[in-house]
Amino acid sequence: QAGLTQPPSVSKGLRQTATLTCTGNSNNVGNQGAAWLQQHQGHPPKLLSYRNNNRPSGISERFSASRSGDTASLTITGLQPEDEADYYCSTWDSSLSAVVFGGGTKLTVL
Amino acid sequence: EVQLVESGGGLVQPGGSLRLSCAASGFTFSDHYMDWVRQATGKGLEWVGRSRNKAKSYTTEYAASVKGRFTISRDDSKNSLYLQMNSLKAEDTAVYYCARLSTEGQPKDFDSWGQGTLVTVSS
Repeated sequence: QAGLTQPPSVSKGLRQTATLTCTGNSNNVGNQGAAWLQQHQGHPPKLLSYRNNNRPSGISERFSASRSGDTASLTITGLQPEDEADYYCSTWDSSLSAVVFGGGTKLTVL
Repeated sequence: EVQLVESGGGLVQPGGSLRLSCAASGFTFSDHYMDWVRQATGKGLEWVGRSRNKAKSYTTEYAASVKGRFTISRDDSKNSLYLQMNSLKAEDTAVYYCARLSTEGQPKDFDSWGQGTLVTVSS
């Protein structure tokens, strides 16, 4: 099944801002938006943002999500060492009747 | 506190079967859709399938890669989700996660995850 497109890696400096992207089509991101998940090595994923760009309780305001057309974005401000992780986008694809994930972006904080 | 605990993983030969379980606690299990998601070592997340709640008649959906081989079921009286995996292939080797879909006014996204159980398909 076709997935969402994310850049494999992004590197930014400490306290800088990183913007991660997730591109789909009108059947998924363009119609539903995308949720964002953070996964540290050896741990299960954690939800950072719902498809409506709302943050779950307890998620830092440094994480903010948005969407423009078929592309969703996650912006992380004031990068901290603990932000170094893999980030995945996900949403429902109405044509596939399936959840689709992005391939993940590995964020490195320099 | 929401808890999801997977069990049942292990080593199985190609063509074999395995049944995974996910024990849920800390929330009203029957209200939620529940999914299985897997992750091969060093790879990304792959959706396996979904079990909707009673309000949606417990309907299920499956990824094309597992349709016809895997079956998702649930027992709301036991707060448990299951994944019956048949005709297993080497490419099914992965950590299998049980994940809860959100409710209460939010889009149905993965708001809670278990720690995962490892399934290895090898001779």
